[in-house]
Order: sequence, then C-alpha cells, then structure tokens
Amino acid sequence: KNEVEQSPQNLTAQEGEFITINCSYSVGISALHWLQQHPGGGIVSLFMLSSGKKKHGRLIATINIQEKHSSLHITASHPRDSAVYICAVRETSGSRLTFGEGTQLTVNP
Amino acid sequence: NAGVTQTPKFQVLKTGQSMTLQCAQDMNHEYMSWYRQDPGMGLRLIHYSVGAGITDQGEVPNGYNVSRSTTEDFPLRLLSAAPSQTSVYFCASTLRVGQPQHFGDGTRLSIL
Repeated sequence: KNEVEQSPQNLTAQEGEFITINCSYSVGISALHWLQQHPGGGIVSLFMLSSGKKKHGRLIATINIQEKHSSLHITASHPRDSAVYICAVRETSGSRLTFGEGTQLTVNP
Repeated sequence: NAGVTQTPKFQVLKTGQSMTLQCAQDMNHEYMSWYRQDPGMGLRLIHYSVGAGITDQGEVPNGYNVSRSTTEDFPLRLLSAAPSQTSVYFCASTLRVGQPQHFGDGTRLSIL
C-alpha cells in the first residue's frame, strides 16, 4: 500500500463545476504539498500546509491531521485547470517528500 | 529569473552509454533533489543534496551518481544506461527543508 493515496485517479468535469481531489496518507507528517503538473510537463508548487486551510484564487487546500487526509478544491473550474494534481507529504522523521501518483483532471468547455 | 534549469530536455541513448543530466539553480537554494517520474507511479527520489559537498541516496539510487561541487549545480550521471532508466527526470530545489520545492522542466530520457 502506498504511503500516499490520491483519489480519484482521473476526473473529468464541465467548465464551472466545483472540483475536489483527495489525498490520504498513512504516516506522521510535518507538511503536505499540493503540486500541479501541466501537459507540457512542468511542475509547480501550489500549496504547502501543516494544518487548517489555505486559499489562493480559486484553489483551496484543507488538511485534517487527525484523519490524515487533505483535499484540494477548485471552484468555478476552467479548461486551463486541466492538469495532473499531485499530493506529497514530508514525514516528521525525515527531510524527503513522498508523492502520490497524481490525479489527472480534465475540464471540458 | 531562471529558477531551476535542466538540460537537455530530450535525450535518446543506447544501452550501455553514459551521460550527465545537468541541473542548475540561481536562487541560492541549499537543498537539491533528483526525481524520476514513471507512468502509474509517483515521483521517486533518486539522490539529494543538503548543501555543497554533501549528497545522499534517495529511494532509487542504483545506476546513478551525483555530485555537488557548487551550490548552483547538481548533475546526475547515468553510469551505464539501461532500458529500465527510460523515464522523465526532474530536478528540484528548495531554500531549506520544509519550504516549497521549485522544479525544473524535466528531461525526457529514452534508453534503447
């Protein structure tokens, strides 16, 4: 079993829909990252959080440390949001990141 | 700002050849990492460095060497390429552990 599990693996939505991507992990962590990988391949960091909630534009990330679960929400989705969204955790015992397999999001116009 | 620069973007090698993937960052970041990305798997750490002169193995280090002679550069060497090393390779850097990572654009490597 992977230490970091994302769901769903693939998600197709219509423009304007509210989107939720989930991430569950099995280890104690010091931080959780959400990353975005565009079709061209580049990866950018969206959020780093260790508690509560963060918001940036139409993106919202939440984390529940007790339940070992995080969600990434996209409000008013747009075709340009189409990308792979990756969850990664940094364990409390180390410096490395462990990555989920990613969620492929496609937003149709 | 250049950020993290990886070269080359694409490379095709024959089994047994050696090559070096280059990674450079201009943000004075101490922590640099190399990952490989394969279908159906998350990014996996190959080697990392917490500062000039210091390197350590990640999850999948076999077949790869690294060095960190300067803060800016962190090259990844394939000693004798094998088809199993066909992958997309990403270099990343961060100011220090616990901060967001900055990724290069990736190198798509095919071993025939």
